[in-house]
Amino acid sequence: AQRVTQPEKLLSVFKGAPVELKCNYSYSGSPELFWYVQYSRQRLQLLLRHISRESIKGFTADLNKGETSFHLKKPFAQEEDSAMYYCALTSEYGNKLVFGAGTILRVKS
Amino acid sequence: GAGVSQSPRYKVTKRGQDVALRCDPISGHVSLYWYRQALGQGPEFLTYFNYEAQQDKSGLPNDRFSAERPEGSISTLTIQRTEQRDSAMYRCASSLRDLKTEAFFGQGTRLTVV
Repeated sequence: AQRVTQPEKLLSVFKGAPVELKCNYSYSGSPELFWYVQYSRQRLQLLLRHISRESIKGFTADLNKGETSFHLKKPFAQEEDSAMYYCALTSEYGNKLVFGAGTILRVKS
Repeated sequence: GAGVSQSPRYKVTKRGQDVALRCDPISGHVSLYWYRQALGQGPEFLTYFNYEAQQDKSGLPNDRFSAERPEGSISTLTIQRTEQRDSAMYRCASSLRDLKTEAFFGQGTRLTVV
């Protein structure tokens, strides 16, 4: 079965500190992995996907198939990064996203 | 409109009543998805359309839930004989074509069954 685990409900860091939001997945195949973000009073939106290999707003995520992880990282957190972050996966040809429970990131000044 | 539009934004209904939730996708988007999100959880897949065809309804929890997209654009998710456990945020998303292209989410409908 497909499953996404985000072990932290809340991650609180100071501005300028490094951030790592953890995501582990369970899938027997070649999944596509995503990070979605929801800022306060805004809709859920795509932050990045592993196949793009992009850095968005300073965030990067590397797919580690050996550890079945897709952790989201940023070297220096900013206050505007405070939001709810969801890790998600879909099968290579699938059309449904499987989401983790989400992690609230709080960046303190 | 610029994005996916859902209505109503908030709905309070009495147990046993039927409700209809509407989703207006981005113009030209072929694929449309419905998700349900309980408090403290991530969104959970309900159903998916390609044009007007319902391709996957494996996530609908029981036969009180149904969805349609008759003209391949606006979609309606209907819950019959609502129960308190149906209370959740219902999210709609659309994409140009499947999840190879970015899925854009609406603001969601917060359903409360009292």
